[in-house]
Amino acid sequence: NAGVMQNPRHLVRRRGQEARLRCSPMKGHSHVYWYRQLPEEGLKFMVYLQKENIIDESGMPKERFSAEFPKEGPSILRIQQVVRGDSAAYFCASSPSSGWRDTQYFGPGTRLTVL
Amino acid sequence: AQTVTQSQPEMSVQEAETVTLSCTYDTSESDYYLFWYKQPPSRQMILVIRQEAYKQQNATENRFSVNFQKAAKSFSLKISDSQLGDAAMYFCVTGYSTLTFGKGTMLLVSP
Repeated sequence: NAGVMQNPRHLVRRRGQEARLRCSPMKGHSHVYWYRQLPEEGLKFMVYLQKENIIDESGMPKERFSAEFPKEGPSILRIQQVVRGDSAAYFCASSPSSGWRDTQYFGPGTRLTVL
Repeated sequence: AQTVTQSQPEMSVQEAETVTLSCTYDTSESDYYLFWYKQPPSRQMILVIRQEAYKQQNATENRFSVNFQKAAKSFSLKISDSQLGDAAMYFCVTGYSTLTFGKGTMLLVSP
């Protein structure tokens, strides 16, 4: 059973460009979570999605950031008009269902560098 | 709201010795899980051990065990017979559907 897959692993963007990060959950998992890790910090929750639905986006900045998890295909985290402060590692996790019964399994992360 | 505090930015241990990493947390949830994740230099986040908050028995996974004190909201990780491969950043985590991470403890293992 393949683990959570994220691509690209490394992404370099210039200020003002768009960044698109992809996450394919583990087979059988219908819940996806995105986290951001700044240098020397733990992970911070951004958004929680099920197929075609955003369940909790309380950790996501109100502007420039959006996320989707379509019926078919991977979950996408999109950052428009990137700024240097967006440079971070972005981790995706998946679980079979929500809540405390299921452990979240993490992908290898995408390291975004904004020049 | 949930908070997780790891008061030890860095810990050192020699191979084959035992080390304990501390963690305290606060949560308003009545049902929750607690986890320890490790992040080696590869930056992959790896689950080490998890504890159901409603269970009094401390979780154990091979050389890893926890001391869960629910009333004190304390959740420490003990690593026995430390190995070089245990060197990593260790995060204490709590959550219901979304996870809250501590800032991490860097574990150094020397031969």
